[in-house]
Amino acid sequence: EIVLTQSPATLSLSPGERATLSCRASQSVDNYLAWYQQKPGQAPRLLIYDASHRATGIPARFSGSGSGTDFTLTISNLEPEDFAVYYCQQRTNWPRMYTFGQGTKLEIK
Amino acid sequence: EVQLMESGGGLVQPGGSLRLSCGASGFTFDSAGMSWVRQVPGKGLEWVSSIISGSGGTTFYADSVKGRFTISRDNPKNTVYLQMTSLRAADTAVYYCATLTHLWMTNWGQGTLVSVSS
Repeated sequence: EIVLTQSPATLSLSPGERATLSCRASQSVDNYLAWYQQKPGQAPRLLIYDASHRATGIPARFSGSGSGTDFTLTISNLEPEDFAVYYCQQRTNWPRMYTFGQGTKLEIK
Repeated sequence: EVQLMESGGGLVQPGGSLRLSCGASGFTFDSAGMSWVRQVPGKGLEWVSSIISGSGGTTFYADSVKGRFTISRDNPKNTVYLQMTSLRAADTAVYYCATLTHLWMTNWGQGTLVSVSS
């Protein structure tokens, strides 16, 4: 079973700053990694898939990078609405299962 | 616009059963894989189950629910179901349905709360 470890658990930044969130896989997932954003009281929203492709309607300030075991979600020039919890996710083909990281909370400093 | 609406949540006693439904609109339902993901309030996301597109019925389950939960779909009704049996306190969570595109949960419903308690 592939384990995804996100760091840091909490990130405190101010609007206008740059956020760098990390997701590390216990073994290679190639570039098969996604990032989701979840705001309080809302469902998650897909931000990034295949490690670096923005989902439909996602602003360009969100970018993803990495491959293999180390991945990064970067949010440049933080907007007030970006403060939320972010999860990474991967899929194992056999046995078929989907795994989420434990999340990083991005909070206003 | 893709819309997903979960229903069927509620309070159930340990050992009981519950069936969740997720009605879909705004896309070609029978061409979409579907998933259920749950979240204990204040905690992280946990994948529960997925069913592939079409009528073939290939399904996948997390180990934590295998043998107790059954996912199914009714394509003419644009609905996916999660039949939950032998429920435990640890199954208490908000249950989300989501479209599954390739490897990713692309659209999500707003969730339905399941509480397992005596």
